[in-house]
Amino acid sequence: QKEVEQNSGPLSVPEGAIASLNCTYSDRGSQSFFWYRQYSGKSPELIMSIYSNGDKEDGRFTAQLNKASQYVSLLIRDSQPSDSATYLCAARGYSTLTFGKGTMLLVSP
Amino acid sequence: DAGVIQSPRHEVTEMGQEVTLRCKPISGHDYLFWYRQTMMRGLELLIYFNNNVPIDDSGMPEDRFSAKMPNASFSTLKIQPSEPRDSAVYFCASSGGLAGGPIGEQFFGPGTRLTVL
Repeated sequence: QKEVEQNSGPLSVPEGAIASLNCTYSDRGSQSFFWYRQYSGKSPELIMSIYSNGDKEDGRFTAQLNKASQYVSLLIRDSQPSDSATYLCAARGYSTLTFGKGTMLLVSP
Repeated sequence: DAGVIQSPRHEVTEMGQEVTLRCKPISGHDYLFWYRQTMMRGLELLIYFNNNVPIDDSGMPEDRFSAKMPNASFSTLKIQPSEPRDSAVYFCASSGGLAGGPIGEQFFGPGTRLTVL
């Protein structure tokens, strides 16, 4: 059973702080990983993808991948109240994605 | 681009009734996915198509669920008969092909919130 595990949260951070979201996966065959953001009552939207070990930066977002530890993380710098949402981690198997249940992030002004 | 289109956005029905959900993927995408999301189970893949052909329906919970993709621009998910435990948000997503990126970079529709009484 392929699993992606995330802490459900909520993770509460003050505005301007760094939010750190973590994810572990069970399938060692997974090669690519994705972070989706889902606002309450809305659909998931892709914010980051990462395919190789190390860091990948895109604006205020940094995705980190450690395949040896089967660990993926998402850092959000200078967190804003508009970042308050549920963040879903996903791992790609042969051709489909397995999603975690998501971590709720709350950024307080 | 209008994005992935789903209809209806909300559906309330009574147990035993047939429910049909509809999806129009982004033009040029050759993968289409149907997901179900609940608080308890999160986002679950039900079935996916590649070039209109069903590839993996192992996520379909039981024979009451069926899905079709008669052409590249339209897919349906049907539940017959519906049960209260089918209440969830159903998402359609598309990706891939010349117009899209890698298969993991999926674009989701707004979802259909289904309530079965």
